[in-house]
Amino acid sequence: LAKTTQPISMDSYEGQEVNITCSHNNIATNDYITWYQQFPSQGPRFIIQGYKTKVTNEVASLFIPADRKSSTLSLPRVSLSDTAVYYCLVGVSSGYSTLTFGKGTMLLVSP
Amino acid sequence: NAGVTQTPKFQVLKTGQSMTLQCAQDMNHEYMSWYRQDPGMGLRLIHYSVGAGITDQGEVPNGYNVSRSTTEDFPLRLLSAAPSQTSVYFCASSYSISTGEQPQHFGDGTRLSIL
Repeated sequence: LAKTTQPISMDSYEGQEVNITCSHNNIATNDYITWYQQFPSQGPRFIIQGYKTKVTNEVASLFIPADRKSSTLSLPRVSLSDTAVYYCLVGVSSGYSTLTFGKGTMLLVSP
Repeated sequence: NAGVTQTPKFQVLKTGQSMTLQCAQDMNHEYMSWYRQDPGMGLRLIHYSVGAGITDQGEVPNGYNVSRSTTEDFPLRLLSAAPSQTSVYFCASSYSISTGEQPQHFGDGTRLSIL
């Protein structure tokens, strides 16, 4: 299983861009990178997924360098409601994979 | 769209009691899994299933049993509850067994306390 490393916590203010980096040095060729968001008392919610370069959707962007040993989740102009725990996962795209959730990054957005 | 439904939302048990946590999904997903989440520990995989009739152990399977008789349902059984099983339990499902590519959909959790 590819192990991931994320910062334990990050602080930001409303309106700022937040970048959370995840290290995954042992990522395999077929692994996808997936980010989830979790609010208190709720289950994790899928945010974005990518394989290489850049992926963007309505809530976030995911940047993956050529060596794929890390990835960065970018949240533009965060609001108080973005305060949550963010998890980075790496898993294979073919066959079966038991994805492992680490401890995630606790993002606190202040006014 | 119900998605992944977990019942009950809260439960208190006494040590030694048995209980089944229910999980149902209406998305025709092949892959279903159970996680537990403890403070400061992230989510840890208990058991998973890649289709009806097929189950396997995850990272922390001891003390839990599962079965998958239908595509929709994946119950988690505690045969003899222990205080160490006090946790929040999440059920998840995804379309494909290639879970690295297909995102998982999670329920809202069952908060279980064992006295």
